[in-house]
Amino acid sequence: QSALTQPPSASGSPGQSVTISCTGTSSDVGGYDFVSWYQHHPGKAPKLIIYEVIKRPSGVPDRFSGSKSGNTASLTVSGLQFEDEADYYCMSYAGNNDLVFGGGTKVTVL
Amino acid sequence: QLQLQESGPGLVKPSETLSLTCTISGDSITSSLYFWVWIRQPPGKGLEWIGNLFYSGNTYYNSSFTSRVTISVDPSKTQFSLKLSSMTAADTALYFCARYRRLADYIDHWGQGTLVTVSS
Repeated sequence: QSALTQPPSASGSPGQSVTISCTGTSSDVGGYDFVSWYQHHPGKAPKLIIYEVIKRPSGVPDRFSGSKSGNTASLTVSGLQFEDEADYYCMSYAGNNDLVFGGGTKVTVL
Repeated sequence: QLQLQESGPGLVKPSETLSLTCTISGDSITSSLYFWVWIRQPPGKGLEWIGNLFYSGNTYYNSSFTSRVTISVDPSKTQFSLKLSSMTAADTALYFCARYRRLADYIDHWGQGTLVTVSS
């Protein structure tokens, strides 16, 4: 399966919002409500921030929100903080116990 | 608190087989709620799913690796392993082990990753 498509970079000033898209196909993103998002600070373990498209794990600030329309899922980070500067990856279930990741988006807080 | 720790050689020669181990603490590999997963990240690139393991030994692999990958559970049930044969420079990557929640399909815990370089 092909990787999901994410923009390589996104940026915003503190307090602003940034939205990252994750585009797949009807065989993955569009076919299942099993899209998750991960925050990765290099050198650390990636962290789950959104699962099942819109759900937030306990402890994840409500500044992080997810959505999906058709074959494209999105992650929005509202009220950007310097600590949000990281790489963000989407992942989707792709049927038959397959998983597929996005290429990652580097978020810079200006 | 679940912790996952990858271990193995940091340097592998071309054509050799990579062997990595993931040690689990704070949970049991025998839980039917989870798969145990290997994922990698080549330098400067995104994440790539390698395969899933169920505690019973059932495995599911990315078709890109099927011919040369084996993921297995240690009899101790506290570790699982990755073997990737015929290594090339393209397999140079940060390798992560992780726990994957079945039926909700997300990864809830990751190791910090171990860097594997393929070079003669």
